[in-house]
Amino acid sequence: NAGVTQTPKFQVLKTGQSMTLQCAQDMNHEYMSWYRQDPGMGLRLIHYSVGAGITDQGEVPNGYNVSRSTTEDFPLRLLSAAPSQTSVYFCASSGGYMGGPTGELFFGEGSRLTVL
Amino acid sequence: RKEVEQDPGPFNVPEGATVAFNCTYSNSASQSFFWYRQDCRKEPKLLMSVYSSGNEDGRFTAQLNRASQYISLLIRDSKLSDSATYLCVVNRGGGADGLTFGKGTHLIIQP
Repeated sequence: NAGVTQTPKFQVLKTGQSMTLQCAQDMNHEYMSWYRQDPGMGLRLIHYSVGAGITDQGEVPNGYNVSRSTTEDFPLRLLSAAPSQTSVYFCASSGGYMGGPTGELFFGEGSRLTVL
Repeated sequence: RKEVEQDPGPFNVPEGATVAFNCTYSNSASQSFFWYRQDCRKEPKLLMSVYSSGNEDGRFTAQLNRASQYISLLIRDSKLSDSATYLCVVNRGGGADGLTFGKGTHLIIQP
């Protein structure tokens, strides 16, 4: 089973460039989310979605956009990359319960982004 | 008080020893609790859920103390392969952004 697939695994950008991190899951999960992980900060929620066509902001949404046109896909767009967005990004999905995630999140392998 | 707090460690423990660490949470209405494991440069993976009555999975025991608002993880007969960062996760409920991650406790098992 593929689970949650993220691409690319590594990316280097210059300040001001835009890019999209792709995330796909094959578990028919309604809930999907994007986190960033920085040293000493833990995992912080960027955006999340409880189903196709529905997205909402998490704790640190500025500088990022998302869309959810299908159940399977949840891309994260960096509009104009900044050095502060250098981080490891994780996409996660969950079966969902009452509009939110169950405790078990299934994570992708992560995307390491460096912004110069 | 931070929402979910963990001692970052590192905990340096000899192989075969027993190690325990706690996680405190601030929201008394929190509904569910979990321990995740994250290996170096890898994604987090669910280790175990934490039930009110406490639960055990092999060498791992998780407990919840609602009165004092903490959860604990006990690892018995530690193995080298237990070296990882252990993340405490609390679901405060109330919506899709209800999961809060602790910053993790780094465990190093030494031969």
